[in-house]
Amino acid sequence: DAKTTQPPSMDCAEGRAANLPCNHSTISGNEYVYWYRQIHSQGPQYIIHGLKNNETNEMASLIITEDRKSSTLILPHATLRDTAVYYCIVRVENFNKFYFGSGTKLNVKP
Amino acid sequence: GAVVSQHPSRVICKSGTSVKIECRSLDFQATTMFWYRQFPKQSLMLMATSNEGSKATYEQGVEKDKFLINHASLTLSTLTVTSAHPEDSSFYICSARDPAGVETQYFGPGTRLLVL
Repeated sequence: DAKTTQPPSMDCAEGRAANLPCNHSTISGNEYVYWYRQIHSQGPQYIIHGLKNNETNEMASLIITEDRKSSTLILPHATLRDTAVYYCIVRVENFNKFYFGSGTKLNVKP
Repeated sequence: GAVVSQHPSRVICKSGTSVKIECRSLDFQATTMFWYRQFPKQSLMLMATSNEGSKATYEQGVEKDKFLINHASLTLSTLTVTSAHPEDSSFYICSARDPAGVETQYFGPGTRLLVL
């Protein structure tokens, strides 16, 4: 029951910013947007999450549109180790369940 | 961030046997843990929610008698795949909700199960 839409794949040159979009047009007012990534054969790694305001941490920035119907994850200087599948998830209201969509395979190229 | 471990990391078993997978939160107490399954080239599929001290709740289509979940302490949840068959071969991943600080889930490294 994924409530998000992401492009299946994207390419990015090493050292450049990677901008990964996500549509969540049916998001409710108190639902958060989470981003995780999964490197091959590993468990997902938490990146960032937000509600309304833009957020930044040591890994990435999260830009949420004013209407909250979409967001963009920004990796400011992509490295080869950032090659992974990136999942945008909307946390279900009143629960902590995560339903994963198909994600975006980010390919960082030298 | 918080650390979640799984054991074993990979297991091979014969068809018809049962396999137990452990999920531990190492530096925090988790009243709620989650179990996912991931087939090759697919996304994670939520199987069940494991609640400390009470019965697990299963997602639609997941057989509770086949996938037994026990959450006996605040740091340990176990998933037992009973009477395993080749179609149960998959990557099983757990996560734990850290109720303190950042409200999010932290995932284990996964357990790869191969049923022969």
